[in-house]
Amino acid sequence: AQSVTQLDSHVSVSEGTPVLLRCNYSSSYSPSLFWYVQHPNKGLQLLLKYTSAATLVKGINGFEAEFKKSETSFHLTKPSAHMSDAAEYFCVVSWGGGYQKVTFGTGTKLQVIP
Amino acid sequence: DGGITQSPKYLFRKEGQNVTLSCEQNLNHDAMYWYRQDPGQGLRLIYYSQIVNDFQKGDIAEGYSVSREKKESFPLTVTSAQKNPTAFYLCASSIDRGSNQPQHFGDGTRLSIL
Repeated sequence: AQSVTQLDSHVSVSEGTPVLLRCNYSSSYSPSLFWYVQHPNKGLQLLLKYTSAATLVKGINGFEAEFKKSETSFHLTKPSAHMSDAAEYFCVVSWGGGYQKVTFGTGTKLQVIP
Repeated sequence: DGGITQSPKYLFRKEGQNVTLSCEQNLNHDAMYWYRQDPGQGLRLIYYSQIVNDFQKGDIAEGYSVSREKKESFPLTVTSAQKNPTAFYLCASSIDRGSNQPQHFGDGTRLSIL
């Protein structure tokens, strides 16, 4: 079965310090992996995606993620947190070739302390 | 700008009442989706549609119905059979159902019980 686990439900960092949001996945197939961000009472916005090209993926707003097959991980990082980064982040695994099945993680709320 | 429009932003349902949530996209996407979001549970798929006049049940379809009469529109009806409808509902679309395609989201409708 395919699954995705976000290891932390809440992460708190100080402004200007690095951000690490952890995601592990389980998939019998070659997955596509995504990170989305959701601000309160808003929809999800795509940050970045991995689709079997480069293992280090750069996204918007300075975020990046590294696909590590041996560790089945796809952690999201940012060198320096900004107040506007405070939001909820979702890791998503997708598989199935021409027939998409998608599983969302349960989300990680990022708090940025001034 | 292209995007997905959900309306209304807030909706209240009385006992025994059906309500319909609107979702319109001008992205020319073939695939559309409805998700339910509850705190701490991530997103759960209600229904999806790959093409006009076709739709399939997702993981939690009971108490919901949809139609796809036009490519750009995918309304969701929450029927009186849905006993716990209070949630945040998100509509999404993607170019097609390929596993490497990201989904684009609307800003959601928050449904509450009166």
